[in-house]
Amino acid sequence: EAQVTQNPRYLITVTGKKLTVTCSQNMNHEYMSWYRQDPGLGLRQIYYSMNVEVTDKGDVPEGYKVSRKEKRNFPLILESPSPNQTSLYFCASSSLRPPGETQYFGPGTRLLVL
Amino acid sequence: AQSVTQLGSHVSVSEGALVLLRCNYSSSVPPYLFWYVQYPNQGLQLLLKYTSAATLVKGINGFEAEFKKSETSFHLTKPSAHMSDAAEYFCAVTNSFGNEKLTFGTGTRLTIIP
Repeated sequence: EAQVTQNPRYLITVTGKKLTVTCSQNMNHEYMSWYRQDPGLGLRQIYYSMNVEVTDKGDVPEGYKVSRKEKRNFPLILESPSPNQTSLYFCASSSLRPPGETQYFGPGTRLLVL
Repeated sequence: AQSVTQLGSHVSVSEGALVLLRCNYSSSVPPYLFWYVQYPNQGLQLLLKYTSAATLVKGINGFEAEFKKSETSFHLTKPSAHMSDAAEYFCAVTNSFGNEKLTFGTGTRLTIIP
């Protein structure tokens, strides 16, 4: 089954404690992306990757890091989480050709930073 | 630069009535447009997309949308609402040159009145 998986699904942590949210896709997609969803703001892109070792900032990258060492995985790293990073996070992937291909979303990770 | 405006953060319709969710876009290049649906505690699922073929696009669950370049709009409609349509709906835009940066609107929560 084609899917994007994220782990963990729910996470409660404290300010400053480094954490990683994993994302994996089994569709051999070149493109992967992280979004955060906040009430009234919709989804905003954090980082994206066009291929292995190619990453770029989205609209709200501050406080986040990513890496793309393998095509299937795109982890999101919060080195020193703060309460304003409490949010619902989604990973997505798609192929790059043809343009406009559907992005497939993971189930989401709900993060609470105390 | 690209952006999406969804008019109405909450829309309520009676079961069996017409559903109309509004989306206007701004893009400096020919756009590709998407509607995604999010059911409670789930990720986003593609409803339909416009990628420069037919301007009237039919999607899943009886939804359709019409791309109107002169009005820069991509409104989502369904002739007869069903209780199962209650969800949050997001309009999104990317461009036709292969840049997969997807910009979302702030979402419209649809409530169905029995």
